[in-house]
Amino acid sequence: NAGVTQTPKFQVLKTGQSMTLQCAQDMNHEYMSWYRQDPGMGLRLIHYSVGAGITDQGEVPNGYNVSRSTTEDFPLRLLSAAPSQTSVYFCASSYSIHRSTGPRTEAFFGQGTRLTVV
Amino acid sequence: AQKVTQAQTEISVVEKEDVTLDCVYETRDTTYYLFWYKQPPSGELVFLIRRNSFDEQNEISGRYSWNFQKSTSSFNFTITASQVVDSAVYFCALGGYNQGGKLIFGQGTELSVKP
Repeated sequence: NAGVTQTPKFQVLKTGQSMTLQCAQDMNHEYMSWYRQDPGMGLRLIHYSVGAGITDQGEVPNGYNVSRSTTEDFPLRLLSAAPSQTSVYFCASSYSIHRSTGPRTEAFFGQGTRLTVV
Repeated sequence: AQKVTQAQTEISVVEKEDVTLDCVYETRDTTYYLFWYKQPPSGELVFLIRRNSFDEQNEISGRYSWNFQKSTSSFNFTITASQVVDSAVYFCALGGYNQGGKLIFGQGTELSVKP
């Protein structure tokens, strides 16, 4: 069971270049999300999706696009990279269910992508 | 608005000391979840615990224990007899039921355990 797989693990871009960070999950989770981690700021939500074909913005969406054509994949696109987008990016998948013992949720994170924009 | 505050930016202890990491949260939801994650120097996020808002029982797992108090909106994490391998950044996070899996993270606490 691979869980959440992010590629690449490391990337260096020049200002103005575009690229796509890949994220795939094999757990059939309905929810997927992208976060960026910057020093002293924890993880901040960029975009999220509640199912195939449905996406929405998080706290810091500017400069990023997403789409969710399948349950498994949730790529993050940088349209024109800027030095301010230098960060570590995490993809996550999760679900919410209601059981007899009450509602439950789990969140699973990929290994992260370290992006440097020069 | 939802918010998570980890007021301790850095903590340094000597091995075998006990250490408590504080987490205070804000939410208007009646059903919510609180998480702790560990981020070792290798960078991945390691899940430690999830606590539901309707279950205020404290939990112990080996040297780790968690104190959830709704009255003070806190979910503190204690490491007993700390070890060098506990050195990491620890994040507290808040999530809501049926909210698309979104998590609100605190700023993180960097724990350094010295031999």
